[in-house]
Amino acid sequence: SQQGEEDPQALSIQEGENATMNCSYKTSINNLQWYRQNSGRGLVHLILIRSNEREKHSGRLRVTLDTSKKSSSLLITASRAADTASYFCATDEGGEYKLSFGAGTTVTVRA
Amino acid sequence: NAGVMQNPRHLVRRRGQEARLRCSPMKGHSHVYWYRQLPEEGLKFMVYLQKENIIDESGMPKERFSAEFPKEGPSILRIQQVVRGDSAAYFCASSGTAVNEQYFGPGTRLTVT
Repeated sequence: SQQGEEDPQALSIQEGENATMNCSYKTSINNLQWYRQNSGRGLVHLILIRSNEREKHSGRLRVTLDTSKKSSSLLITASRAADTASYFCATDEGGEYKLSFGAGTTVTVRA
Repeated sequence: NAGVMQNPRHLVRRRGQEARLRCSPMKGHSHVYWYRQLPEEGLKFMVYLQKENIIDESGMPKERFSAEFPKEGPSILRIQQVVRGDSAAYFCASSGTAVNEQYFGPGTRLTVT
């Protein structure tokens, strides 16, 4: 079964609003990472949160991790048009180097 | 400090031809990973290599696919006798000793006609 399932699949918001997306996984992990992918481009690493951490911030990004519920959330505050992209969470399923990605959440920020 | 380099960015092959995808890791990185992304899906792990060694190829199809990371030069992902189902984006990532902190290249988009 696939690790790192994101929810929702797609999200459309107005510039300036916040965007929240969630990620669920099935087995225990050591860490969880969030990546951004602009259309037709590679992945940009956003943030890594370890299993003993509950929350982490990076600029306008806030990531939470709840290991009891096996879920994580990514919050983008004060969204901008440049935040339009697909966002993926990745877990270290079956070994720390074998990142396992979900299908992603596509975020569209309307001007 | 250049990031992970992949070439070509786009590759078109006819069914039955061979595709060779190249990846140069970030400077100082000795671990290379290949992932495949099918349309509307997330990335799927294919293979993990260190210099001259394949560490884990559990995600790679048993036939037609091979990967190498020679002592000198880039890592190569080779797909022989391509079929339409091989059409996908192939991403390479590299890391230093922290194998979970992987940096991705821009990908090679393979189209099989």
